[in-house]
Amino acid sequence: GENVEQHPSTLSVQEGDSAVIKCTYSDSASNYFPWYKQELGKGPQLIIDIRSNVGEKKDQRIAVTLNKTAKHFSLHITETQPEDSAVYFCAAKTSQFYFGTGTSLTVIP
Amino acid sequence: GAVVSQHPSWVICKSGTSVKIECRSLDFQATTMFWYRQFPKQSLMLMATSNEGSKATYEQGVEKDKFLINHASLTLSTLTVTSAHPEDSSFYICSAQGRKRRITDTQYFGPGTRLTVL
Repeated sequence: GENVEQHPSTLSVQEGDSAVIKCTYSDSASNYFPWYKQELGKGPQLIIDIRSNVGEKKDQRIAVTLNKTAKHFSLHITETQPEDSAVYFCAAKTSQFYFGTGTSLTVIP
Repeated sequence: GAVVSQHPSWVICKSGTSVKIECRSLDFQATTMFWYRQFPKQSLMLMATSNEGSKATYEQGVEKDKFLINHASLTLSTLTVTSAHPEDSSFYICSAQGRKRRITDTQYFGPGTRLTVL
């Protein structure tokens, strides 16, 4: 089955700097890659997603890039703000979803 | 996006009692619903997948008789933790996958239910 690895597990950045979280997957049949943000005590919220026929997608300060050849995709957050602090999960979907282990992002004011 | 609700958000119960958690998709029809369990500072652990009108498919190691799942309609799934024990204390999260235009691929998560068993 699919195996999704996520790095780093923790990330601290200064407010205003950029943050990058990377995920790799193993199954070339994966065709959908969402990213979720989970704040403490809450459920994960979809923040951006990308499909396998697209290489990059951007939504304001967040962007996702996909490299199908290398089987990795990344979340980029620019101009980070304290409210970006949360745990971020990546996922890859074939016939079912496979989640990464999460990245705890801390934005230092 | 799509909205998924869970009820209750927090429940405390005595050991040996049963607890029912409801998951509803509010603005789309959820053909598939998922139940996850999450321990502190850990990732999501899929417990079971349920399709409307069908029996749930449980992941390996999840006790079917302990975690009863019902997906009676396209907008409601319930998880019942039977004869709860302290080790069942956890954060339970549902998600829904629907069939409304571009919502066919995406899982939308509920806000979670914190279960504490005394």
